[in-house]
Amino acid sequence: QVQLVESGGGVVQPGGSLRLSCAASGFNFNKYGMHWVRQAPGKGLEWVAFIRLDGSDEYYADSVKGRFTVSRDNSKKMLILEMNSLGAEDTAVYYCAKDLGAAGIIFDHWGPGTLVTVSS
Amino acid sequence: EIVLTQSPDFQSVTPKEKVTITCRASQSIGSNVHWYQQKPGQSPKLLITYASQSFSGVPSRFSGSGSGTDFTLTINSLEAEDAATYYCHRSNSLPYTFGQGTKLEIK
Repeated sequence: QVQLVESGGGVVQPGGSLRLSCAASGFNFNKYGMHWVRQAPGKGLEWVAFIRLDGSDEYYADSVKGRFTVSRDNSKKMLILEMNSLGAEDTAVYYCAKDLGAAGIIFDHWGPGTLVTVSS
Repeated sequence: EIVLTQSPDFQSVTPKEKVTITCRASQSIGSNVHWYQQKPGQSPKLLITYASQSFSGVPSRFSGSGSGTDFTLTINSLEAEDAATYYCHRSNSLPYTFGQGTKLEIK
């Protein structure tokens, strides 16, 4: 079955950087777009970034554009999120999510998430 | 940016009750609305796609309807395990936003 497992979260100082990873298994990783979605403590869901199945295109929420970069390694079935210039507003659980693969953008499977805390 | 507004924000309900959660878009988005369930301490799970299509494995008591700007998630004969926060989400255009969530408490 589909499994997504995020890693790389932790505590980082304001202005710092962090690299999140998501290991995928149980499906043909190179046939699906992938997303990052985050959830600040006690808050709702916020879509962060999307990368197409072949890595040809990336899309970002305005709140992270220019600071975050999504990438993927299809040979390793890995999704990456590079985060720079982190601020308190980036504190959240970051989820890796698989796209349903239909014409629309739908998150059909999610990982358990990894917590990023930006604090001095 | 198209905004999704859910109502109510919170609802306390009894088992076997029928529950209706609404999601209103600030402009027409066709049927590009999907619903997710998030139980405490867990990641979200997909329930409904394109306003009314049940995702694989979702219990039949969950159903969705609507198009344009007004969408509804209905839970028939609520069960204790349905205690969760429910989110609508739109996929018609960037950015792919969510509603603020509706928390269901089971009495």
